[in-house]
Amino acid sequence: DTAVSQTPKYLVTQMGNDKSIKCEQNLGHDTMYWYKQDSKKFLKIMFSYNNKELIINETVPNRFSPKSPDKAHLNLHINSLELGDSAVYFCASSPPGQGRNEQFFGPGTRLTVL
Amino acid sequence: RKEVEQDPGPFNVPEGATVAFNCTYSNSASQSFFWYRQDCRKEPKLLMSVYSSGNEDGRFTAQLNRASQYISLLIRDSKLSDSATYLCVARTGNMLTFGGGTRLMVKP
Repeated sequence: DTAVSQTPKYLVTQMGNDKSIKCEQNLGHDTMYWYKQDSKKFLKIMFSYNNKELIINETVPNRFSPKSPDKAHLNLHINSLELGDSAVYFCASSPPGQGRNEQFFGPGTRLTVL
Repeated sequence: RKEVEQDPGPFNVPEGATVAFNCTYSNSASQSFFWYRQDCRKEPKLLMSVYSSGNEDGRFTAQLNRASQYISLLIRDSKLSDSATYLCVARTGNMLTFGGGTRLMVKP
């Protein structure tokens, strides 16, 4: 199936741990994103990569580090997890070019920090 | 003030009703606009783009007023399957800014 996929779907971990979330898209898109959706349901951009190059880096703690080994993958590593990191993290991708490009979202990773 | 603002609802309507959602955006540099739909515990999916001239897709009509920085979505003949959260989105450069969403519940 052509899609944006993320693993794991659920992640429950203790405060202070380090964890990674993986994202892959097989849509041939050049741009990938990470979003955070908190308990109040606000969806906020965290990072955007275009052809493996960081183009958007919103105000996100240094504990969050994205890595793009190739343009089909954008992984998110989180160090020293805190309670406030609990949220749903969505990966997304969009095709190249300016204009009204749709973003395609992955199914989300529900992170719970205990 | 949030960059994209929406009434969170919920809007509870009977099947067959017409319902309208409004949204305002504060960044006049925003270039294009969208409505996304998000079902409970699922990812957002594009419902439709919003054009200045207004556009229609079946039972859905979207309008944009750039002077007032206002976007609307009208749903006619509501179906049970329309129950979801509707997210108003503004694009500035490569960045999408999402509103907090308006929850719609269509009842039999």
